Amino acid sequence: NAGVMQNPRHLVRRRGQEARLRCSPMKGHSHVYWYRQLPEEGLKFMVYLQKENIIDESGMPKERFSAEFPKEGPSILRIQQVVRGDSAAYFCASSPNSGAVTGELFFGEGSRLTVL
Amino acid sequence: AQTVTQSQPEMSVQEAETVTLSCTYDTSESDYYLFWYKQPPSRQMILVIRQEAYKQQNATENRFSVNFQKAAKSFSLKISDSQLGDAAMYFCALSSGSARQLTFGSGTQLTVLP
Repeated sequence: NAGVMQNPRHLVRRRGQEARLRCSPMKGHSHVYWYRQLPEEGLKFMVYLQKENIIDESGMPKERFSAEFPKEGPSILRIQQVVRGDSAAYFCASSPNSGAVTGELFFGEGSRLTVL
Repeated sequence: AQTVTQSQPEMSVQEAETVTLSCTYDTSESDYYLFWYKQPPSRQMILVIRQEAYKQQNATENRFSVNFQKAAKSFSLKISDSQLGDAAMYFCALSSGSARQLTFGSGTQLTVLP
């Protein structure tokens, strides 16, 4: 059973470009979480999705950021018109249920975004 | 709002010795869970140990154990017989019933000296 798969592992963008980060949850998992880790900091919650629904996006900036988890295919975190401050590691986690409460989150290896 | 504080940015321990990492937290919820995650250089987050707030008994997983002091809102991690493979960043995290996500501390970088 493959773990949470994130791609790309590394992404370089110039200011103003778009970044798309993909996350395929573990098989059988219908809950996906996105976290952002800035250098020298802990992970900060961004958004929680179930299939086709955004459940909680309280941690996601209102501008330029969006997330989706379609019925088919991976979850995608999209950042439009990237700025240098978007440079970070973006982690995806999945669970078979609302696992955040019990901690049953399975993390991917992260996608590192560098904005030049 | 819930917060997690790790006041030790860096710690070191001699191989085979014991080390304790500190964590304090704050939440207004009575039902919550506490966790320690390990982030090795590969950067993948690995769950080390979990504690349910309603359980008085401290959680233990092999060489890893916690000291959960509910009244003091303290949740420390003890690593016994430290191994070189334990070197990593360790994050304390909290989730409560009304929050749908984990809140992480800023991390403690653990170095294991041979």
